Amino acid sequence: GAVVSQHPSRVICKSGTSVKIECRSLDFQATTMFWYRQFPKQSLMLMATSNEGSKATYEQGVEKDKFLINHASLTLSTLTVTSAHPEDSSFYICSARGGRGWNQPQHFGDGTRLSIL
Amino acid sequence: SQQGEEDPQALSIQEGENATMNCSYKTSINNLQWYRQNSGRGLVHLILIRSNEREKHSGRLRVTLDTSKKSSSLLITASRAADTASYFCATVMDSNYQLIWGAGTKLIIKP
Repeated sequence: GAVVSQHPSRVICKSGTSVKIECRSLDFQATTMFWYRQFPKQSLMLMATSNEGSKATYEQGVEKDKFLINHASLTLSTLTVTSAHPEDSSFYICSARGGRGWNQPQHFGDGTRLSIL
Repeated sequence: SQQGEEDPQALSIQEGENATMNCSYKTSINNLQWYRQNSGRGLVHLILIRSNEREKHSGRLRVTLDTSKKSSSLLITASRAADTASYFCATVMDSNYQLIWGAGTKLIIKP
């Protein structure tokens, strides 16, 4: 159980393109979803936290107009990288959390490797 | 986010040996979690240990927690080639649900 599906797994596109990444919880309702960015050989960097039906909370230094997050339902959150540039190339991972207890683990998608040419 | 520290950064051992990874953190916590990441993939939750627990087992995994030293260890016994991955610890504070991540340990099991 607790499967999170993230699509697409890989995107290669030209500079200036906007890219949408979807994160779906397949068998549970995700009250909270998280978006991370991971650079090679590094740990995860939290970009934003989104709760269903409310605005996402962005971490310091993350541009909310650049990285648009929508969490329209309890099973779907999307991250749109607007007007992407080569410096936005990275591995983006979403995770979802069901319930509000302290001991709920996060369940991760398989990540999206974004390459901007 | 404030990150914890893990050591070693990289560990290479022979199949069948035990692998131990350590994690230290800086603030008081509600729980600590260990995750595994295969290369180029998402993370898989392995085990969660609460702040009032000292040791927890799951199959070949053994996790300890020492809140006085603000440290945890993950032991993988009888390692297999398929255990090759990066392992991350993450802490949850009492004030929010966010995970504070360690830097990770890259584990290589040589067949």
